[in-house]
Amino acid sequence: AQRVTQPEKLLSVFKGAPVELKCNYSYSGSPELFWYVQYSRQRLQLLLRHISRESIKGFTADLNKGETSFHLKKPFAQEEDSAMYYCALLFSGGYNKLIFGAGTRLAVHP
Amino acid sequence: EADIYQTPRYLVIGTGKKITLECSQTMGHDKMYWYQQDPGMELHLIHYSYGVNSTEKGDLSSESTVSRIRTEHFPLTLESARPSHTSQYLCASSPRWNEQFFGPGTRLTVL
Repeated sequence: AQRVTQPEKLLSVFKGAPVELKCNYSYSGSPELFWYVQYSRQRLQLLLRHISRESIKGFTADLNKGETSFHLKKPFAQEEDSAMYYCALLFSGGYNKLIFGAGTRLAVHP
Repeated sequence: EADIYQTPRYLVIGTGKKITLECSQTMGHDKMYWYQQDPGMELHLIHYSYGVNSTEKGDLSSESTVSRIRTEHFPLTLESARPSHTSQYLCASSPRWNEQFFGPGTRLTVL
């Protein structure tokens, strides 16, 4: 079955420390993966997608098909990175839909 | 300004009442979605629409219904609200399947 797992509910780091938000997926097809972010009192928004191979706000994510992972990384965390982060998988069977993980709250302390 | 709107933002209502959660988008997107999200949990797709007069149920069973009479409008209705319906409801729209734009959400509490 298709599934997205984010093993950490909370990740707490100090400003300037490296950050890695973990995401693992289960999918038999060719995966298309995304990271969405929700800042305090703001709506959910797309952060980045793996097919774009882009770096947004210093974040990058690499798809590792061998490990079925799509971890989100940033070398130096900033306080403004504090937010909820959701990993999502595009499931293309039948009707296309996004399958979301439960989310990880990132707290960056000064 | 192109955006996606949801009203009300918060709703507290008694059991048995009929409610309609409004969702409108001015982005010109064909595809629209409703998700349900309990605190600390993942988003679950409950309804989606390819376009006008198209509605489908998502992968989470829901007693709610939706309609899509106009491209920009995708309301969700609960005929008889129950405490188990207490949740956050997120509306989204998409120009393509792989990118979705979300509204601010409606937090529903049924007493």
